[in-house]
Order: sequence, then C-alpha cells, then structure tokens
Amino acid sequence: ETGVTQSPTHLIKTRGQQVTLRCSSQSGHNTVSWYQQALGQGPQFIFQYYREEENGRGNFPPRFSGLQFPNYSSELNVNALELDDSALYLCASSLESLRDRGDYGYTFGSGTRLTVV
Amino acid sequence: GNSVTQMEGPVTLSEEAFLTINCTYTATGYPSLFWYVQYPGEGLQLLLKATKADDKGSNKGFEATYRKETTSFHLEKGSVQVSDSAVYFCALSYMTTDSWGKLQFGAGTQVVVTP
Repeated sequence: ETGVTQSPTHLIKTRGQQVTLRCSSQSGHNTVSWYQQALGQGPQFIFQYYREEENGRGNFPPRFSGLQFPNYSSELNVNALELDDSALYLCASSLESLRDRGDYGYTFGSGTRLTVV
Repeated sequence: GNSVTQMEGPVTLSEEAFLTINCTYTATGYPSLFWYVQYPGEGLQLLLKATKADDKGSNKGFEATYRKETTSFHLEKGSVQVSDSAVYFCALSYMTTDSWGKLQFGAGTQVVVTP
C-alpha cells in the first residue's frame, strides 16, 4: 500500500510568481484535502476534493485553487505569491463514502516546504 | 464555530515518565476527534481517533477518551521514550451541509523526552 506522495519537497519562489504543488493520493482513496501549516502552528484547511469536485473550502483567497484528476491525484495552485504564503503545504487523502462521511482518519504526505522571497 | 485548544508546550519529560496533553474542543454537532503526531521534518501521522462519545482511541501505548460532557480528548501515555519526542496535534473532523471531513487542528504541543 503506497502512502501519500507530494512533490516537490522544497521550493523557493519569488513574490508575485505562481506555483503548482502536486499530490499523489494513497491507493484507493477518493478524497484529497490540502492544508497550509505556517511555522510553529497547526495546519489550516485550504480545500477538499471528492471525486474531482470541490467539496469545501477554508478561509483562503481565490488565488489558491486546485484540481483533482480521475486517478484522484491532485494539484494546488497559488497565484501572485505573497511572503505570507511561505509555509509547509500538506496533502491528505482519505476514503470517504456518503454513509460514513468524515469518520476516517486522513493519511498525510510529508509536505512541500514553500519559501517565498 | 469549531475550535480546538491544546496545552502549550514545550513539555519536557524524562524517559519513562507519564505524559498527558490536554485538548478541549468547541463544535456544533458530534465531531470525530483525532490525535496526529509530527516528527521533525515530516508530515502528520494519525496516532489515534474516536468517533463518538466515550470511545477510547489507542495506539502505540497512547490513549485518549472522547468526553462529550467535558468536550475533551486528552492524550496520555504511561511511559514515554525518547522516540516519542515530536509535536502532537489534536484535531476534530466536522461536517457542513456541503462537505465533510474537514479537520480543525489545535496549535500543537511539542514534547521533548530526555534520556
């Protein structure tokens, strides 16, 4: 059983640029979520996808966008990068069903460390 | 809204000491509760979970009981090891009318175990 794989592991970007982070979910999982973890803080929910459709969004501006593909892998795109976007970005996957929504623990990847300079 | 409050760290312990990390929550409805652990330079690992009141989650010697009356989910371990040094996050999973499974995390508690 493979876990959640994220790429790249580290990234440095300049303010104003755009970035795409990638996530390969655990085999058999149909739900993927993205979280932003600033240094010394708990992760903050960005958004979630279930079967290729957005399934909830946290308090993040529209320049944070995402996609989920038919194989349930996912991308997080951030436009017009700001210094405050520097953080660890975590992807998490889970197997959800309409009957047991939210009862499963998520499997997290190791994250992408984004530094905006 | 939903929130999770954890005791502040760092918590410094000697090996074989008893560990307690307090966690209380505020939520509408009946959330599922989780403890995640994050080792240096790594992502989060699910440590244990409980999905309804009075459930006890346990794993690797860690335990936590879902207490609805006190809205708490305290993490305990009877005898810690140096390898338990990490940051521990309490979290709840909540649903809205259009989504489920969003995790609300506490700020994390750093645990340092010394030989």
